[in-house]
Amino acid sequence: DVKVTQSSRYLVKRTGEKVFLECVQDMDHENMFWYRQDPGLGLRLIYFSYDVKMKEKGDIPEGYSVSREKKERFSLILESASTNQTSMYLCASSLTGGHVMQYFGPGTRLTVT
Amino acid sequence: QKEVEQNSGPLSVPEGAIASLNCTYSDRGSQSFFWYRQYSGKSPELIMFIYSNGDKEDGRFTAQLNKASQYVSLLIRDSQPSDSATYLCAVTLGSGGGADGLTFGKGTHLIIQP
Repeated sequence: DVKVTQSSRYLVKRTGEKVFLECVQDMDHENMFWYRQDPGLGLRLIYFSYDVKMKEKGDIPEGYSVSREKKERFSLILESASTNQTSMYLCASSLTGGHVMQYFGPGTRLTVT
Repeated sequence: QKEVEQNSGPLSVPEGAIASLNCTYSDRGSQSFFWYRQYSGKSPELIMFIYSNGDKEDGRFTAQLNKASQYVSLLIRDSQPSDSATYLCAVTLGSGGGADGLTFGKGTHLIIQP
């Protein structure tokens, strides 16, 4: 089975802090994604990566950056956390080629106070 | 702007009946279509995917795709209380493994009444 893990289930940070969210997948997937999910707004793509050291902006990249130094690990960075970044953050991964599926990690609920 | 539309619900269905969930999408170039189930406080779980026009069945679930009308639906037969969840429709442009991410609808909240 595909396994995607995220470093924390719940996280509380203060405004202005630098926040790191880590995601690891164990299925040798090329593609990795970061989404945020908010009530009424649904799931929105922040960033994705299709290879090591490669990154592409999604629909809402402002205020975020990412890092992918190893194939299995994809990090989301909030350079200076703000209250409007309080959300559920979901990492996903998929293979490349053909009609393939994305598999999600358990999510990190981040609260910025 | 790619858009995926779903009725937010709640959709209430008696136990044992057929639940019908619908989704429309705006981009005619979309090629891959997915249904995810999400329980409250949990992450989305893939339950069905479909690429070709017509029906695809997997156990109690049937996905239906009509590219000409730009809609995809999910039927759940013999609905159980454990099917109560939010169902997310997701679409990707092209067949490149969804490497550019999925566009999600906001989900339909399904309630199965015992």
